[in-house]
Amino acid sequence: GEDVEQSLFLSVREGDSSVINCTYTDSSSTYLYWYKQEPGAGLQLLTYIFSNMDMKQDQRLTVLLNKKDKHLSLRIADTQTGDSAIYFCAEKNDYKLSFGAGTTVTVRA
Amino acid sequence: DTAVSQTPKYLVTQMGNDKSIKCEQNLGHDTMYWYKQDSKKFLKIMFSYNNKELIINETVPNRFSPKSPDKAHLNLHINSLELGDSAVYFCASSLNPGLNTDTQYFGPGTRLTVL
Repeated sequence: GEDVEQSLFLSVREGDSSVINCTYTDSSSTYLYWYKQEPGAGLQLLTYIFSNMDMKQDQRLTVLLNKKDKHLSLRIADTQTGDSAIYFCAEKNDYKLSFGAGTTVTVRA
Repeated sequence: DTAVSQTPKYLVTQMGNDKSIKCEQNLGHDTMYWYKQDSKKFLKIMFSYNNKELIINETVPNRFSPKSPDKAHLNLHINSLELGDSAVYFCASSLNPGLNTDTQYFGPGTRLTVL
């Protein structure tokens, strides 16, 4: 979406950390989300962060939010082959989610 | 149990035909959505229904008509299919979009190919 921007591709070695970045435009967004889409599958909610937080950690996932710069990132520690997927950043405006174009993460051995 | 299900998973049809995609959720949610994902993976909302009433209607050709017989079902009917309609269509549901903590759950998608 034009309101949410992400880099399109990321290649990472197995065992390394992956960092996926996202910028959004609506400063009134209260929640920001990360979804994962595996090949041929639907979107799976990974995690979300409330806009008054600057960090959220959930096992191997760490979300960082810089509200001033409207920048959101998702860090995946110890990246595994099963993490290969498309990752979507999304912001909530009114009743709808606006998605970024998705970052395709490829994990190489 | 599948939370949000869609049928069919794949749909291949000729230009000009009329087709329907069905969606059902067993989560007890009040709100359902249809999204379109194009070939570049760009995902955009089309419609949303809350308790069988339309609450979001983005700029979508009127050849697309959603129908919600009850709050657990939201079907998408497409008339006079065009080549540009080829995409993956995702259904989703959520409990209450008015809540900040509301989370949308997605179905597996229906891949529509128009020849």
